[in-house]
Amino acid sequence: GAVVSQHPSWVICKSGTSVKIECRSLDFQATTMFWYRQFPKQSLMLMATSNEGSKATYEQGVEKDKFLINHASLTLSTLTVTSAHPEDSSFYICSARGGGLGDTEAFFGQGTRLTVV
Amino acid sequence: GQNIDQPTEMTATEGAIVQINCTYQTSGFNGLFWYQQHAGEAPTFLSYNVLDGLEEKGRFSSFLSRSKGYSYLLLKELQMKDSASYLCAVRGGGNKLTFGTGTQLKVEL
Repeated sequence: GAVVSQHPSWVICKSGTSVKIECRSLDFQATTMFWYRQFPKQSLMLMATSNEGSKATYEQGVEKDKFLINHASLTLSTLTVTSAHPEDSSFYICSARGGGLGDTEAFFGQGTRLTVV
Repeated sequence: GQNIDQPTEMTATEGAIVQINCTYQTSGFNGLFWYQQHAGEAPTFLSYNVLDGLEEKGRFSSFLSRSKGYSYLLLKELQMKDSASYLCAVRGGGNKLTFGTGTQLKVEL
C-alpha cells in the first residue's frame, strides 16, 4: 500500500507553546487528508478534513483557531496545536487519500504522541 | 449522524476462530473498513466492504449486510500477535471515516 509519513512520532512541549505535526504522502498525491485525535483506550475521533489548496473543514467541537491545518501541496499537510495545554496531550494521527476513482482506502501515518507539561 | 457499535473486549485461544461484530447506523454509506491497531501505533488496514457478502483475505475475512447495518470480522488460526484493538469504520458522505470504539482482542495460550 501507499506510504504516509508523519513527523514527529513523539513530542513533549511546555504549556503555552505551539507544536507543528507534519503528514506527508510519499508515493501518491493526497487530495484529501484527515486529522484524528485518540485519547487512551478510546477510538479515533475525526478533527478535520483538508483538501489541497482549500480551507480545512472542522468537526463540531474542534477549535479551528487552536488546531491550525494547512494543506498547501498534494503531498503535505500540517497540524499546528497552538498554545498547547495539558488537556491537548493525545495521540494525533493523519490519514491521506488519493483522488483517483480506485482510491477507496485512506492510508494512515504513524501517529504523533503529544505530551504537554 | 453516525453510530457504530462493537464489543469492548473479547478473549480467544491461540489457534481458534473469533468473530468480531459491528453494527452501524449512518447517514450515507460508502463502504465499511476494518483496521487493526496495536497500542501506541497507528491503525493498519485489514479489509474493505462496500457490497453485501464475504471478503476473504488469508486468515482474515469480513462480511457486510447493508440492509441490516451489520458487519463482522472473522479471524482464523489465531496467533498471539493478533492481540490488538480492532476498529470498525464506516465511510459516509464527504469520504469521512467514522470509527467505532474498537474491540480489544486478547489471545491466550
